[in-house]
Amino acid sequence: GAGVSQSPSNKVTEKGKDVELRCDPISGHTALYWYRQSLGQGLEFLIYFQGNSAPDKSGLPSDRFSAERTGGSVSTLTIQRTQQEDSAVYLCASSPKELAGGRADTQYFGPGTRLTVL
Amino acid sequence: DAKTTQPTSMDCAEGRAANLPCNHSTISGNEYVYWYRQIHSQGPQYIIHGLKNNETNEMASLIITEDRKSSTLILPHATLRDTAVYYCIVRVANYGQNFVFGPGTRLSVLP
Repeated sequence: GAGVSQSPSNKVTEKGKDVELRCDPISGHTALYWYRQSLGQGLEFLIYFQGNSAPDKSGLPSDRFSAERTGGSVSTLTIQRTQQEDSAVYLCASSPKELAGGRADTQYFGPGTRLTVL
Repeated sequence: DAKTTQPTSMDCAEGRAANLPCNHSTISGNEYVYWYRQIHSQGPQYIIHGLKNNETNEMASLIITEDRKSSTLILPHATLRDTAVYYCIVRVANYGQNFVFGPGTRLSVLP
């Protein structure tokens, strides 16, 4: 079946501009996560959604970052007044809700959006 | 979550088994061992996970020692497409918890 999709695949923007990154999770997956990965670095957790609410926003690096999820499906990550240090690959993952002990919390990742801030 | 230690890099000949070790000596009783991999320019891909027993699926086998302080991911017949960074992650099976990815092991499958 269809996996997690993200758009755009690449985004080049100028410093100070706002950007929106979109994530379409696997159909029926109730949990959605955003991570980012800077060049040569590991994954950095940003935010987690359960349905449309975000119980854990602890990873958002500043108030320039925000995210929303509507209809328990599509999520948008918004970065306002982008800075050069925001340049990274932004990854989205989703996971289904199943009984504990199964693959309940296995996360399935999208291909990412490569953001370049000039 | 327990910390893991993996070799920085490994090589494996194409067609041979790739055995990737992971040490997790501080693992707790309710923590699972997960393996993901990331092929260049792609998002991480789930491979396998286990608690106590050895596990096998269509991609790999996971061997966990009896004391659970270490494990080995086995790719039985490595191909060039298995070249990737492999991440061993130990954490509770807590729905909604993020994964913490360390530096992983860079596996190079050589022709």
